[in-house]
Amino acid sequence: NAGVMQNPRHLVRRRGQEARLRCSPMKGHSHVYWYRQLPEEGLKFMVYLQKENIIDESGMPKERFSAEFPKEGPSILRIQQVVRGDSAAYFCASSPGGQGSNEQFFGPGTRLTVL
Amino acid sequence: RKEVEQDPGPFNVPEGATVAFNCTYSNSASQSFFWYRQDCRKEPKLLMSVYSSGNEDGRFTAQLNRASQYISLLIRDSKLSDSATYLCVVDSGAGSYQLTFGKGTKLSVIP
Repeated sequence: NAGVMQNPRHLVRRRGQEARLRCSPMKGHSHVYWYRQLPEEGLKFMVYLQKENIIDESGMPKERFSAEFPKEGPSILRIQQVVRGDSAAYFCASSPGGQGSNEQFFGPGTRLTVL
Repeated sequence: RKEVEQDPGPFNVPEGATVAFNCTYSNSASQSFFWYRQDCRKEPKLLMSVYSSGNEDGRFTAQLNRASQYISLLIRDSKLSDSATYLCVVDSGAGSYQLTFGKGTKLSVIP
């Protein structure tokens, strides 16, 4: 009964390096969402993807951040040239999609620390 | 005005107590409402969806007042394991998949 899986759970990067965060949705789910949680803040929506399609990236910074959900394999959130302000918990959620249900189930998150 | 507003707490209550949390939201177009709980440094976990008619799940009761844009969560017979941060969550509009999270209300249940 695998839930949403994310790896790595903890990631440390130096300023200027790249961070790649991976998310495998729950079995049977085709919709993936990425959220960011800064310390002492609520979760903020970043991007919504379906297989091979970015549906909504309105919450994602225009520069340095990108996301994909390929036909095969996990969804990837990529942060280039990380800065200290990128330090946060990044949560992935998935849902089965379709009408009438937008309950989202979250993975354990990746805690990114930028030194 | 914040999109989803909650009293941050903390609420410190003894075991067995009844505690209520409130939440207000600003987007009148929101159609889906949820309560999640988040333990320290863990992911949010869906506690329950909130329906217009109100709904109950064991010791937990959720209410929605669309006119006042107000959501509540009542926990009866509090357990130590209920200690967590409770997140009020609404969608960003009719049929929207974007969820807007409140910052949460922290609950500590004391022996």
